[in-house]
Amino acid sequence: EVQLVESGGGLVQPGGSLRLSCAASGFTFRNYWMHWVRQAPGKGLVWVSRINSDGSSTNYADSVKGRFSISRDNAKNTLYLQMNSLRAEDTAVYYCARGGTIVRGVITGWFDPWGQGTLVTVSS
Amino acid sequence: DIVMTQSPDSLAVSLGERATINCKSSDSVLYSSSSRNYLAWYQQKPGQPPKLLIYWASTRESGVPDRFSGSGSGTDFTLTISSLQAEDVAVYYCQQYYSSPYSFGPGTKLEIK
Repeated sequence: EVQLVESGGGLVQPGGSLRLSCAASGFTFRNYWMHWVRQAPGKGLVWVSRINSDGSSTNYADSVKGRFSISRDNAKNTLYLQMNSLRAEDTAVYYCARGGTIVRGVITGWFDPWGQGTLVTVSS
Repeated sequence: DIVMTQSPDSLAVSLGERATINCKSSDSVLYSSSSRNYLAWYQQKPGQPPKLLIYWASTRESGVPDRFSGSGSGTDFTLTISSLQAEDVAVYYCQQYYSSPYSFGPGTKLEIK
């Protein structure tokens, strides 16, 4: 079964740091791009960051650029999100999601599956 | 950046009736070399993560009931539920995976009338 399990969320003060992890199983992790997506309470989905299959290329939403860092350990089948200088507006459920790969020469890109999410609350 | 919009914001449909949700991208998400639209639809029920329904704008994910269908190309897309069931109550999001940032629409909340 393809599965993603996030961990590392919690309550942190403004200006603090947190590292999220996403453990992957049931598929060849090193072949896929991976993403982080967040959802503030009662709000919609917002893409946060993406990393390519070997970790050599990353992208970030403008709202987190310079504060968040995405990385992966393909030997451990694990995705990470290092979050620094946290703000109240970063409060959200953070989901990891499996992204694109190459299928018969075509680059896919939809997000599937998603983990259950981990809640990050930034408050004093 | 590609901005995604959806209409309506919310929708109430009777059981067994058709539900239609529209999605528009600010720029084309049609990849000319493959003739594929980089557009997906997701369903999110309360307290659950999003679930992929449709990719390539019109390809139904395995296991998704055939009452769900996607259509459109370029910048205008539609998700149709042909005969609404009680379990379809959810928020539906479109998303472009054509280019970073991989933006989502604001969501459409679907309820039973």
